[in-house]
Amino acid sequence: AQSVTQPDIHITVSEGASLELRCNYSYGATPYLFWYVQSPGQGLQLLLKYFSGDTLVQGIKGFEAEFKRSQSSFNLRKPSVHWSDAAEYFCAVDTNQAGTALIFGKGTTLSVSS
Amino acid sequence: DVKVTQSSRYLVKRTGEKVFLECVQDMDHENMFWYRQDPGLGLRLIYFSYDVKMKEKGDIPEGYSVSREKKERFSLILESASTNQTSMYLCASTKVGRGAGQPQHFGDGTRLSIL
Repeated sequence: AQSVTQPDIHITVSEGASLELRCNYSYGATPYLFWYVQSPGQGLQLLLKYFSGDTLVQGIKGFEAEFKRSQSSFNLRKPSVHWSDAAEYFCAVDTNQAGTALIFGKGTTLSVSS
Repeated sequence: DVKVTQSSRYLVKRTGEKVFLECVQDMDHENMFWYRQDPGLGLRLIYFSYDVKMKEKGDIPEGYSVSREKKERFSLILESASTNQTSMYLCASTKVGRGAGQPQHFGDGTRLSIL
């Protein structure tokens, strides 16, 4: 069955340090991949998405993610974290390319220390 | 910008009550979704709808029903609320676009407490 794994439940990073959030998926073909962010008390906001082509995709707020087919991974990165990046991050996979079968990981909570 | 509006941010109801959660989107999206979000479990799909009066069960439909009488509005109904339905409920919508990987647009959520 298709699944999305975010191995890290909670990560703490110092402000200004780099960040990498891991995401692995299980799916037979290349899916459409997404990263969403959820600030406290808010809904989910799309950070970036991957469909095909260049495996390094740029998103909003200075985030980027790299698709690695050989590792079935889609890790999210940011070179320098800001305190406002503290939030919960969700990786998601669209397995039918019609937006009706989005599978979410369980999320990674990011804390930023000063 | 797409706007998905959930009628209540916070709601407190009693066990056994019939509860309605409303969601409206303003971008003429065909697909609409209801998720519940619980700590450590991520988002789980309850129901979705791909057209007016159409609905499909998601992963955890038990204890819930939905209504889509108009394209812009998708309602989640708890027929007889129970304490294990205390959760954050998120509505989302997306435009149909096979092959285009349309992202889902989310509302701000309704935090529902059942006492």
